Amino acid sequence: DQQVKQNSPSLSVQEGRISILNCDYTNSMFDYFLWYKKYPAEGPTFLISISSIKDKNEDGRFTVFLNKSAKHLSLHIVPSQPGDSAVYFCAASNTGKLIFGQGTTLQVKP
Amino acid sequence: KAGVTQTPRYLIKTRGQQVTLSCSPISGHRSVSWYQQTPGQGLQFLFEYFSETQRNKGNFPGRFSGRQFSNSRSEMNVSTLELGDSALYLCASSPGDRENYGYTFGSGTRLTVV
Repeated sequence: DQQVKQNSPSLSVQEGRISILNCDYTNSMFDYFLWYKKYPAEGPTFLISISSIKDKNEDGRFTVFLNKSAKHLSLHIVPSQPGDSAVYFCAASNTGKLIFGQGTTLQVKP
Repeated sequence: KAGVTQTPRYLIKTRGQQVTLSCSPISGHRSVSWYQQTPGQGLQFLFEYFSETQRNKGNFPGRFSGRQFSNSRSEMNVSTLELGDSALYLCASSPGDRENYGYTFGSGTRLTVV
């Protein structure tokens, strides 16, 4: 039973364009959502988070949108840069433990 | 400010052996969580320790155990290793209060079971 799903294993975008990474969840009790970026053989690096009482949070080039009725969140990266190429994980929590999606590999082409 | 430190970075063990991994959290963080990452299952939660007590537990067999010391450092132990235990084991620390999900991950320990 996968409570957090990232249905796109990979995404390729051109430098300077927008990258949109999507995440769906099934548990309506989740009250906090996070996005992490990960390089091989390293731990995930926190990017941005959003509480379930909000529908948008912005931090520089990164914006996370939450649609609770659709149980969907998305991460927008504008403009995308080659250094953004990595695996992106969304995660959700309501008890302190993080439930991760399977990840989406983003490739930003110069 | 020092980050989350995990030791060792790499480990090779034989099936049937046991292994202990160590995690030193960010200074002042009282919560330490452990995760397992494998290609097939992704990132999965093992357990969380807060003030030397296990506060949360994932769906792993009893061969996986942990503890936390008074200085918040944590160890994870896996007994009777199986080939399927080969994975990247990640530790994350946070201040620990429920309103703050500021999890910071270490670089992980890559365990290979042969």
